[in-house]
Amino acid sequence: EVRLVESGGGLIQPGGSLRLSCAASGFTVSTNSMSWVRQAPGKGLEWVSVIYSAGNSYSADSVKGRFTMSRDNSKNTLYLQMNSLRAEDTAVYYCARGYTRGAFDIWGQGTMVTVSS
Amino acid sequence: QSALTQPASVSGSPGQSITIPCTGTSSDVGGYNYVSWFQQHPGKAPKLMIFDVSDRPSGVSNRFSGSKSGNTASLTISGLQAEDEADYYCSSYTSIITPVVFGGGTKLTVL
Repeated sequence: EVRLVESGGGLIQPGGSLRLSCAASGFTVSTNSMSWVRQAPGKGLEWVSVIYSAGNSYSADSVKGRFTMSRDNSKNTLYLQMNSLRAEDTAVYYCARGYTRGAFDIWGQGTMVTVSS
Repeated sequence: QSALTQPASVSGSPGQSITIPCTGTSSDVGGYNYVSWFQQHPGKAPKLMIFDVSDRPSGVSNRFSGSKSGNTASLTISGLQAEDEADYYCSSYTSIITPVVFGGGTKLTVL
């Protein structure tokens, strides 16, 4: 079964750091483009970061310089390192597999990140 | 990159058809045939319903169809069913560096 399972979310104080993980099964993350997409409570979807099969990664302007996406091919797992967290980073974070350009066909169940003092 | 524009809500009765527009610019919707639509039920992850403007993934009902004209894409749902009540998001490819921009979402209510 093709599946993505996120973990690592929780309550964190402003300015803190958190690392999210996304374990894949049924396919190989290193041969696909993979993204993190977030959704603030009651709000819409926002793309966060992408890593392509070649290994290059990019992030949205709202998180650039603070968030870094990476992968461990041996564990078939993605990561999102989040530093200098702000209240506006509070959201459910989903990892998703790129299908065609702009489309994601496999999504995880999401992990909630709450930034609050 | 600004979000794509969708109406906040639409509604229809069972059996009817509805259309949700998604307006962008020549840098996204109008510039590429890479528009997608996602369905999201409360508390669930989004589900891909349409990709590449009008293609359906395996398993998605043919009651869902997509189209595009200029900078505006549209999702049409025919023969509305109660289970179609959900939030719908459009997306478009924009560039390698910023691969996707989403619409603000449309809440579909089946009356």
